[in-house]
Amino acid sequence: QKEVEQDPGPLSVPEGAIVSLNCTYSNSAFQYFMWYRQYSRKGPELLMYTYSSGNKEDGRFTAQVDKSSKYISLFIRDSQPSDSATYLCAMSEKSGNQFYFGTGTSLTVIP
Amino acid sequence: GAVVSQHPSWVICKSGTSVKIECRSLDFQATTMFWYRQFPKQSLMLMATSNEGSKATYEQGVEKDKFLINHASLTLSTLTVTSAHPEDSSFYICSARRQGQYEKLFFGSGTQLSVL
Repeated sequence: QKEVEQDPGPLSVPEGAIVSLNCTYSNSAFQYFMWYRQYSRKGPELLMYTYSSGNKEDGRFTAQVDKSSKYISLFIRDSQPSDSATYLCAMSEKSGNQFYFGTGTSLTVIP
Repeated sequence: GAVVSQHPSWVICKSGTSVKIECRSLDFQATTMFWYRQFPKQSLMLMATSNEGSKATYEQGVEKDKFLINHASLTLSTLTVTSAHPEDSSFYICSARRQGQYEKLFFGSGTQLSVL
């Protein structure tokens, strides 16, 4: 079983829709959770970072962590064509030196 | 803040030559840098972890003599692909962990290597 599971999609939504991206994980020691956005042939860009359980909001983006279910989500409100990219979840242990990535979900927002 | 610069963004080379890729943290000190390889439509594959001033730790299956990593300062790490072959063609990405902010990882823009 992989440490981090993420549905690769692809996911296609109309402009303005609410997008929900999810990852599940198996390691209960994970404490730090990140979402990255990666455009084609570019490096990943850190979008959201959360520590332990809870919600975090930044503009149109909301990150949720449910440690009891080992489940994290990224919500994108009022999606825009510029949100079209691959979204990667990542996580690490509190004192770990390794980061574990999902396979990425490809998102297309149709104008 | 937390800008990681990676150069070159793309390189084409002949089989048998060596290619060096640079990764710099522009506005912070990076005690740890990571090198990844990414194939089309796939996730990041960790190649090695480098700590400033010490030898890199390579992941299983990654040839250390082929992929030379040097982390000579707190702001610079280099990856040299030696005697490159077409199968080394890939997208290489570096990332850096900021000193005192170990829980976040910041990425460079990536290097597309094509070996003819």
